[in-house]
Amino acid sequence: KAGVTQTPRYLIKTRGQQVTLSCSPISGHRSVSWYQQTPGQGLQFLFEYFSETQRNKGNFPGRFSGRQFSNSRSEMNVSTLELGDSALYLCASSLEGREQETQYFGPGTRLLVL
Amino acid sequence: AQSVTQLDSQVPVFEEAPVELRCNYSSSVSVYLFWYVQYPNQGLQLLLKYLSGSTLVKSINGFEAEFNKSQTSFHLRKPSVHISDTAEYFCAVTPVVGRARQLTFGSGTQLTVLP
Repeated sequence: KAGVTQTPRYLIKTRGQQVTLSCSPISGHRSVSWYQQTPGQGLQFLFEYFSETQRNKGNFPGRFSGRQFSNSRSEMNVSTLELGDSALYLCASSLEGREQETQYFGPGTRLLVL
Repeated sequence: AQSVTQLDSQVPVFEEAPVELRCNYSSSVSVYLFWYVQYPNQGLQLLLKYLSGSTLVKSINGFEAEFNKSQTSFHLRKPSVHISDTAEYFCAVTPVVGRARQLTFGSGTQLTVLP
């Protein structure tokens, strides 16, 4: 089975712009979660989607949003980018039912905001 | 809410020596526990997990971790490390109850294996 894929892998934006990141989960996985990784704050949970609905949300401002499509693919969007949004954004997928607690991560999208 | 503490931010060790990476957690509910490994410029790879049953869990590449409920710990050990084990290791927990999936991570431990 193919793993979690994320596109693009690298991205450079300037302050004030917006960005959309994409995540394709492992085939059969219906839950997709997003995390932000920075040197200062470490790994922080952004949100989780299941069946096209946001099921859980972390403590991030409203500039961070996401969605999930009927094929379980997910996108996250960051509007009005700030320098502090520079980070590695990781997507993870998991099954429902057996093994639902185990999340499998993609390679991440590294975002640099100038 | 949960929190995870990895006391050692950096652990240097010589090749073929044993290593222990410490992880303690705090939670008002029962949790599942995980260790993930991150190599440079890569995402997180699941190393091992404790869900239930035997408190000692092992990975295919020689790592093991033991869940200690009374001490709320899940330390990672390897009896003999290799250069290729150099990476950052993250301990994480998620609540047993509930369907929402949210991992709470520790701050990570950089393991550097020296020749």
